[in-house]
Amino acid sequence: DIQMTQSPSSLSASVGDRVTITCRASQGIGSSFAWFQQRPGKAPKSLIYGASTLQSGVPSRFSGSGSGTDFTLTISSLQPEDFATYFCQQYNSYPVTFGGGTKVEI
Amino acid sequence: EVQLVESGGGLVQPGGSLRLSCAASGFTFSDHFMDWVRQTPGKGLEWVGRSRNKARSYTTEYAASVKGRFIVSRDVSENSLYLQMDSLKTEDTAVYYCVRVAVDYHFDSWGQGTLVTVSS
Repeated sequence: DIQMTQSPSSLSASVGDRVTITCRASQGIGSSFAWFQQRPGKAPKSLIYGASTLQSGVPSRFSGSGSGTDFTLTISSLQPEDFATYFCQQYNSYPVTFGGGTKVEI
Repeated sequence: EVQLVESGGGLVQPGGSLRLSCAASGFTFSDHFMDWVRQTPGKGLEWVGRSRNKARSYTTEYAASVKGRFIVSRDVSENSLYLQMDSLKTEDTAVYYCVRVAVDYHFDSWGQGTLVTVSS
């Protein structure tokens, strides 16, 4: 199975901050990579797929980059509604696997 | 608007069975792969299984942890996806999500989830 390692596991930030979360795959996955946001008590929500394509309706302050094994999610200016947990995922091969999550706290 | 609504969760004893349902609407159900994903506080998000689309004859794939115990199926006439779970173990306790898979295989829509608790 492909292991997805996210860092950090949690971070504290303020409104307006630039935030970067990284994810590393244990083997190359091309661009078959996604980021999800999950607010407490809610289902995950797709943010980015194909490593860098924004899901429809997602604000442009979110961006993704990377390919192969190393990927990054950037929030350019953190907003109050962005305080949540973020997960990475590879869908290049079975089984689909997820990172452990990054909790973004105030 | 895509809607996925899960139901069927609850409390079940170890060794028991449960069937989850996912009612889909707002899209052509037969065109899409559909997955089940579960989430626990301890193990995070775990992919459970897949039903491919009509073009791929609705074939299935499973995670090793559930293979031989869980079955993913669908009723196209009812626009519903199912997860039959047998020989349940305490470690199957989780929130189970129904997920729509886009044509390039990314997960684009999630249901609200249904809680399954396996405990004596």
